[in-house]
Amino acid sequence: AQSVAQPEDQVNVAEGNPLTVKCTYSVSGNPYLFWYVQYPNRGLQFLLKYITGDNLVKGSYGFEAEFNKSQTSFHLKKPSALVSDSALYFCAVRDPRGGNTPLVFGKGTRLSVIA
Amino acid sequence: DGGITQSPKYLFRKEGQNVTLSCEQNLNHDAMYWYRQDPGQGLRLIYYSQIVNDFQKGDIAEGYSVSREKKESFPLTVTSAQKNPTAFYLCASSIQTGANIQYFGAGTRLSVL
Repeated sequence: AQSVAQPEDQVNVAEGNPLTVKCTYSVSGNPYLFWYVQYPNRGLQFLLKYITGDNLVKGSYGFEAEFNKSQTSFHLKKPSALVSDSALYFCAVRDPRGGNTPLVFGKGTRLSVIA
Repeated sequence: DGGITQSPKYLFRKEGQNVTLSCEQNLNHDAMYWYRQDPGQGLRLIYYSQIVNDFQKGDIAEGYSVSREKKESFPLTVTSAQKNPTAFYLCASSIQTGANIQYFGAGTRLSVL
């Protein structure tokens, strides 16, 4: 079975500092990995995905994520945090061998960027 | 929130009542999904449909029902058998194949009176 873990419920970072939101996954084969962001009382917005190829994936709003197969991780990063980045972030995974199955989401990490 | 419309935004249910949440998409996507979001629990899959007139149970289907009579529409009914329905409900859709991105609606917040 596929699963994803976000070990931190909350991450606090000062504006202008780099941020990292952690994600680890469990999939038998090579995974499809995604990051989404959710603002209060809204749906999820897609940020970026990893399918294959370059381990460093760049996405929306200056975010990027690094796929690390040996550590089964897909951490979300941004070089310089903005107050407007404060939101709930979800990592998700799909095992491509499972056909078009739905994404499996982590429990989310709340990012708070302090001015 | 793109081409996925969820309505209503807020919904209140009385004891013993069934309520239906609407989800419509104009993205021509084959697959549609319903998730339930509770604080600290992330998104849990209720039902999903990969094609018209077909759907599968997710992890927490008990107390819910769905239909998929049209490609554009995937309504969710919260039945009286669902004893703890208070939550934020999210509908999503995606193309059928490949490493497809799921696009989400703005959600419906359901509360019990």
